[in-house]
Amino acid sequence: DVKVTQSSRYLVKRTGEKVFLECVQDMDHENMFWYRQDPGLGLRLIYFSYDVKMKEKGDIPEGYSVSREKKERFSLILESASTNQTSMYLCASSSPSGHGRSPLHFGNGTRLTVT
Amino acid sequence: EDQVTQSPEALRLQEGESSSLNCSYTVSGLRGLFWYRQDPGKGPEFLFTLYSAGEEKEKERLKATLTKKESFLHITAPKPEDSATYLCAVRADSWGKLQFGAGTQVVVTP
Repeated sequence: DVKVTQSSRYLVKRTGEKVFLECVQDMDHENMFWYRQDPGLGLRLIYFSYDVKMKEKGDIPEGYSVSREKKERFSLILESASTNQTSMYLCASSSPSGHGRSPLHFGNGTRLTVT
Repeated sequence: EDQVTQSPEALRLQEGESSSLNCSYTVSGLRGLFWYRQDPGKGPEFLFTLYSAGEEKEKERLKATLTKKESFLHITAPKPEDSATYLCAVRADSWGKLQFGAGTQVVVTP
């Protein structure tokens, strides 16, 4: 089974702090994704990466950056946390094989609260 | 712009009472429609992928169908353990990213 592990289940940070969310997958997947999930809005894509050191903006990249130094690890960085970034953050990975038909496999999420 | 709309937002069922969830989509060049189940405090769990109109997939009490404009997730004789939020998502490009609907929260009472 694919395992996507997010390092923290819960985080509480103060406004203005720099925050790092870490994600590791064990299936040698090329593609990795960061989504945030908010009630009524569903999952929205922040950034994704299709290879080491490669990154692409998703639908809501403002206030975030990412790092992918190794294939198995994809980090989301909140440069200066704000209260409107309080959310559930979900990391996912997938294989590019199957002409883009492979599903995304998700971690269990990090619930971030910014006070 | 690609859009995914799920209805209803919430559904309350008695155990054994079958029902259907709807996912309507507007996307150019559908490369796949995905259904996920999400339990509280957990990440989405993959259920099905559908690729072309007319396709059907089944798993236990769940059956997913696809037309050119919408997909249905049928829950037959549900049990309390089927209580979850069901998410629909579409893929329209080769990068692999998914666009999600807001989900349908299903509660099945004994």
